[in-house]
Amino acid sequence: AQSVSQHNHHVILSEAASLELGCNYSYGGTVNLFWYVQYPGQHLQLLLKYFSGDPLVKGIKGFEAEFIKSKFSFNLRKPSVQWSDTAEYFCAVNRAGGSYIPTFGRGTSLIVHP
Amino acid sequence: ETGVTQSPTHLIKTRGQQVTLRCSSQSGHNTVSWYQQALGQGPQFIFQYYREEENGRGNFPPRFSGLQFPNYSSELNVNALELDDSALYLCASSPPVPNYGYTFGSGTRLTVV
Repeated sequence: AQSVSQHNHHVILSEAASLELGCNYSYGGTVNLFWYVQYPGQHLQLLLKYFSGDPLVKGIKGFEAEFIKSKFSFNLRKPSVQWSDTAEYFCAVNRAGGSYIPTFGRGTSLIVHP
Repeated sequence: ETGVTQSPTHLIKTRGQQVTLRCSSQSGHNTVSWYQQALGQGPQFIFQYYREEENGRGNFPPRFSGLQFPNYSSELNVNALELDDSALYLCASSPPVPNYGYTFGSGTRLTVV
C-alpha cells in the first residue's frame, strides 16, 4: 500500500516569505498526486493535481508543485505567501490505473503572520 | 453545483451507542468515499461506494459499515462506539471519470463520551 509523508507539521511564516512544503510518497508504480487545502472552518479543497506530462504543476492562488519521480516527491511552493494562506495543507497520492482512492499525509499547518 | 452536504454537523454520543452519518454527493458524482480525520491527523480512508456496492475498504473494523442509495447519497454507520471514534468524518464524492479529484463535504464532528 502507498503511504505519504509530510515532513513539516507546523510552519510559521511572515507575509511575503516564500513557502515550500515537503511531500514524499512510497509506491514504486505510476501515481497521481494532489495537494488539498483546508482553510479554517472550511472543507477540504483541491489546490492542484498531477497526472502526467509537465512535472511542474500550477494550481489556484499562485501555488505550484513539482513532481520529482526519482525522489518520490511532490513539494508544494509559493513565492510569496499571504495572511489568507493560513490553513492546513494535505498531500495525497493514488495509484494510476488502480482504485483511484487517495491516501493522505497527516498535513502541515501553515500560519502566516501579517 | 450543489456540492457535498453532510448531516449532522456535530454529534455527541455515548460509548457503546450506534450512530448514522449522512452524505449527499455533488450533482453528477456517482462515487462516495468516507474518511475519518482525527485531531492533528490527515484523513484516513474508511470505505468507498460505487453503484451502491462497496468498492474498497481501509483498515477499519466491521462495526464501520455503509450504504449508498440509488441517488448516490450515502450513509456511514458505526456500531458499539468507542472513545477513539471521536473524530471529524468526511464524505467525498467523485465523478464517473475517475481521478479528477474529490469534492469534500464539511464533515460531521463526532464526539464519543
